[in-house]
Amino acid sequence: AQTVTQSQPEMSVQEAETVTLSCTYDTSESNYYLFWYKQPPSRQMILVIRQEAYKQQNATENRFSVNFQKAAKSFSLKISDSQLGDTAMYFCAFMKHLGGGGSQGNLIFGKGTKLSVKP
Amino acid sequence: SAVISQKPSRDICQRGTSLTIQCQVDSQVTMMFWYRQQPGQSLTLIATANQGSEATYESGFVIDKFPISRPNLTFSTLTVSNMSPEDSSIYLCSVDVSLGTDTQYFGPGTRLTVL
Repeated sequence: AQTVTQSQPEMSVQEAETVTLSCTYDTSESNYYLFWYKQPPSRQMILVIRQEAYKQQNATENRFSVNFQKAAKSFSLKISDSQLGDTAMYFCAFMKHLGGGGSQGNLIFGKGTKLSVKP
Repeated sequence: SAVISQKPSRDICQRGTSLTIQCQVDSQVTMMFWYRQQPGQSLTLIATANQGSEATYESGFVIDKFPISRPNLTFSTLTVSNMSPEDSSIYLCSVDVSLGTDTQYFGPGTRLTVL
């Protein structure tokens, strides 16, 4: 069975600074996806970034980037130039790739990291 | 992505009653997913709803407690039956609107409190 571990229950960062959230996972699969979702107090789950395991290049989305280390089974999220609106719970998630197009798999979530951006 | 709506956004219910949560998407999707997020916890998949077939439930979740309907490609309902305080959670639906990307987008969630 797959597991996702986020070892930092809470973190804080000053506005405009950079913060890195950690995520490790355990799987015997070779083909899978990794995601970071954020959940602000409004409780809406918002996709931040997505990584395909077969791609060595780290995914980036504007101020958000990941450091994907497949051998180490590590998938950290770096937020640059932190903004007050980045305050949220951040969840790392794993999904096995079943092929055939479209989600056919179960998203396995970590317990989350609560990030506070301070003015 | 897509516009995903859920109704109701929140509700307070008495134990022993049932609540039906609706999930509506603005585009046709093959599969919809229902998750539960207990207070202070992460998300757990309840079931996968495929149009035209029975929902597939994860371990620990049963159809009698969480019946699901999927009448068409844009709509699904989840019913929480015979509720107890332990059912107090946020219930979220998700969809994959981009074939081949295996990426799920979530609705805004329904916050349920059972007294």
